[in-house]
Amino acid sequence: GENVEQHPSTLSVQEGDSAVIKCTYSDSASNYFPWYKQELGKRPQLIIDIRSNVGEKKDQRIAVTLNKTAKHFSLHITETQPEDSAVYFCAASMDSNYQLIWGAGTKLIIKP
Amino acid sequence: GAVVSQHPSWVICKSGTSVKIECRSLDFQATTMFWYRQFPKQSLMLMATSNEGSKATYEQGVEKDKFLINHASLTLSTLTVTSAHPEDSSFYICSATRGGDEQFFGPGTRLTVL
Repeated sequence: GENVEQHPSTLSVQEGDSAVIKCTYSDSASNYFPWYKQELGKRPQLIIDIRSNVGEKKDQRIAVTLNKTAKHFSLHITETQPEDSAVYFCAASMDSNYQLIWGAGTKLIIKP
Repeated sequence: GAVVSQHPSWVICKSGTSVKIECRSLDFQATTMFWYRQFPKQSLMLMATSNEGSKATYEQGVEKDKFLINHASLTLSTLTVTSAHPEDSSFYICSATRGGDEQFFGPGTRLTVL
């Protein structure tokens, strides 16, 4: 079955700097790759997603890139702010069942 | 649009009792609903997938007789934790889809079993 690996587990960056979180997946049939932000005790919040027919997508300070050949996708956050501090999860799914396979999560710490 | 509610938001119960958690799609018909469990500092773990009017599909290692899922309508799915024990204490989250790949998440239910 599908397996999603996420790195790093913790990322500490200076406010204003960029943060990059990387994920790899194993099943080439996966075609939907969402990124979620989760604050303590809250539901996961979709921040950006990408489908396999697109290589890059951007929404203000957030971007996602997808390399289907290498089976990896990355989240890029520029000009980080204190409110970006949270746990970020990547996930992958395919059309056959829409089940999300989750990465282990990255705790992002923005240092003032 | 695409709002999912969950009730209750938190519950404390005694060991051996059963607890029911409701998941509702408020403004759309959910073709599929998913139930997740999340332990502290861990990722979401898929417990089961449920489609309206049919039996839920449970993930490996999830006891279907302990975690009863009913998806009686296109807007409501329930998870009943039967004979709850302290190790069942967790954050339970549901999600729903409306035919595509994007999942809409409920706010979660914090279960504490004493």
